[in-house]
Amino acid sequence: EIVMTQSPVTLSVSPGERATLSCRASQNLSNNLAWYQQKPGQEPKLLIFGASTGAIVRATGIPDRFSGSGSGTEFTLTISSLQSEDFAVYYCQQYNDWPYTFGQGTKLEI
Amino acid sequence: QITLRESGPALVKPTQTLTLTCIFSGVSFRTGGVGVGWIRQPPGKALEWLALIYWNDEKRYNPSLKSRLTISKDTSKNQVVLTMSNMDPVDTATYYCAHKHQYGSERGWFDPWGQGTLVTVSS
Repeated sequence: EIVMTQSPVTLSVSPGERATLSCRASQNLSNNLAWYQQKPGQEPKLLIFGASTGAIVRATGIPDRFSGSGSGTEFTLTISSLQSEDFAVYYCQQYNDWPYTFGQGTKLEI
Repeated sequence: QITLRESGPALVKPTQTLTLTCIFSGVSFRTGGVGVGWIRQPPGKALEWLALIYWNDEKRYNPSLKSRLTISKDTSKNQVVLTMSNMDPVDTATYYCAHKHQYGSERGWFDPWGQGTLVTVSS
């Protein structure tokens, strides 16, 4: 099983600042990684995914302040200028191999 | 637009079998490559993928729970059913179903997700 490790566990940032969230995989994923945002009481929402073309793509309707980078075992989600609605928990998920696995999450707080 | 909705009991007793249903719209198992999966989340904890079923009835299970899980589908009803046997209080969680993207590949992300259904295991 591929183990996904996210850091930090909690990230405290002020609105308007930049946030950088990390996700590390125990094996090479190529670019088969997705990022999700989850707000309290809601289902996870897809933000970014790695397509078979090799591109890292923002999901439909996701603002361009969200960006993803990385490949192999090291991945980063960057939120360029935090808005109040961005404070949530963020999960990475690998789909390179079964079983699909998620990181433990990073809580982004004000 | 694809939507999914989970349903099932809010409370089950230890050792009982849980049966959850996911009804979806906007996509059909008659389309090649379609897959629907189940993911759970204990209160305050991380997400755990459980199982997935494809349009052609191929199934994938999390090895850690495989002996307790059965996933099935009803193409005519746009429905996926997950059963989990021998429920324990540690299985208390919100259970989500989700549509898997990237048809024709084993590799795909989940979008969208249903709103989830909270299942509590307690005597």
